[in-house]
Amino acid sequence: GENVEQHPSTLSVQEGDSAVIKCTYSDSASNYFPWYKQELGKRPQLIIDIRSNVGEKKDQRIAVTLNKTAKHFSLHITETQPEDSAVYFCAASRAYRGTSYDKVIFGPGTSLSVIP
Amino acid sequence: DAGVIQSPRHEVTEMGQEVTLRCKLISGHNSLFWYRQTMMRGLELLIYFNNNVPIDDSGMPEDRFSAKMPNASFSTLKIQPSEPRDSAVYFCASSLPRERAPIMNTQYFGPGTRLTVL
Repeated sequence: GENVEQHPSTLSVQEGDSAVIKCTYSDSASNYFPWYKQELGKRPQLIIDIRSNVGEKKDQRIAVTLNKTAKHFSLHITETQPEDSAVYFCAASRAYRGTSYDKVIFGPGTSLSVIP
Repeated sequence: DAGVIQSPRHEVTEMGQEVTLRCKLISGHNSLFWYRQTMMRGLELLIYFNNNVPIDDSGMPEDRFSAKMPNASFSTLKIQPSEPRDSAVYFCASSLPRERAPIMNTQYFGPGTRLTVL
């Protein structure tokens, strides 16, 4: 069945350094890849996303890259700050087979700690 | 808009009791997702409704769990009887109809209900 793997499961970086989180997906029909950030005790919130017809997207300190051939996508955070500390979830989305409804598969999450 | 609303925010109950979690979608959204989050299993999709119809309930753990969408803006998740292993944070999320979504498939999560079954 569909699966999204995410690495690493935990990541610690010094403030100001970069952080990279990598995900792989199994379903080649996936065409939309959102990233969610969940701060401690809070709800997951969308921070950036990418469609399958785009290889890279950037929003200030956050960027996402997609390699459809390899079925890899990655989140890059530059100049990390303590407020970036959170759990980050990647996800892959595609339509349920034979329908126009969309299925979203979440990765297991990466706990990022930014050390001041 | 207040966003997705969930109630209660915290629920502590004893094993065997019935638990009902509630969710109000964002106005205009037509897709509703119930998730369960635990340290061990992460974020698990329990059930997905589209236009009040269950599309995917393959994640519902067993017959003790049931979900309904009595109207376009409201859903309930019921656990009867509850067990200690049901302790988790339960999120609901909603999204716009695909043809109206400025960002494809973005899910907007509610604040969650933290359930503790003793």
